[in-house]
Amino acid sequence: NAGVTQTPKFQVLKTGQSMTLQCAQDMNHNSMYWYRQDPGMGLRLIYYSASEGTTDKGEVPNGYNVSRLNKREFSLRLESAAPSQTSVYFCAGRLGGLKNEQFFGPGTRLTVL
Amino acid sequence: LAKTTQPISMDSYEGQEVNITCSHNNIATNDYITWYQQFPSQGPRFIIQGYKTKVTNEVASLFIPADRKSSTLSLPRVSLSDTAVYYCLVGASGSARQLTFGSGTQLTVLP
Repeated sequence: NAGVTQTPKFQVLKTGQSMTLQCAQDMNHNSMYWYRQDPGMGLRLIYYSASEGTTDKGEVPNGYNVSRLNKREFSLRLESAAPSQTSVYFCAGRLGGLKNEQFFGPGTRLTVL
Repeated sequence: LAKTTQPISMDSYEGQEVNITCSHNNIATNDYITWYQQFPSQGPRFIIQGYKTKVTNEVASLFIPADRKSSTLSLPRVSLSDTAVYYCLVGASGSARQLTFGSGTQLTVLP
């Protein structure tokens, strides 16, 4: 039972390059989330998926796209990376029901030069 | 989403009880209060959730007064390993919509 996994752990991109951050969970979570965290700041929601087949924008969606490939996987794509997207990206899953407990992955540290 | 206000930082000594208070004046009737803990270079970890009065689990207690406009996370007998950022979140339980993370409270436990 790996929980929530993210790949890669670290990535350096040049401005304008594209990449996809992968997230997978084996905890049967219905909802999945992508956040970014800038130094010294709290987490900000980029996109979320309430259930398989649905996605919705969060607080800071511009410059990103997501795909809920199946119940286990939720990917985040940067089409044309910008230095402002330098951040740590966290994926999380939530089972559902009344408990607002999210399980977070280890994060991806992204630097855009 | 209800806005929350927490102290930016707090210091404590090992073995003491720590109370972190969160203000949420515009909490809605169906909102729950949830606390997370985050260590450096890790994702946040759920600590506790409550709606009213008092909730206790193996790591913390959560006190919520009758008007629910604030809440207090209580950590008994802290150790150095409790040094972390603590986030107070308010939002409807059962909703997939994210609860907003504020800037949190940096708790530093001193020897």
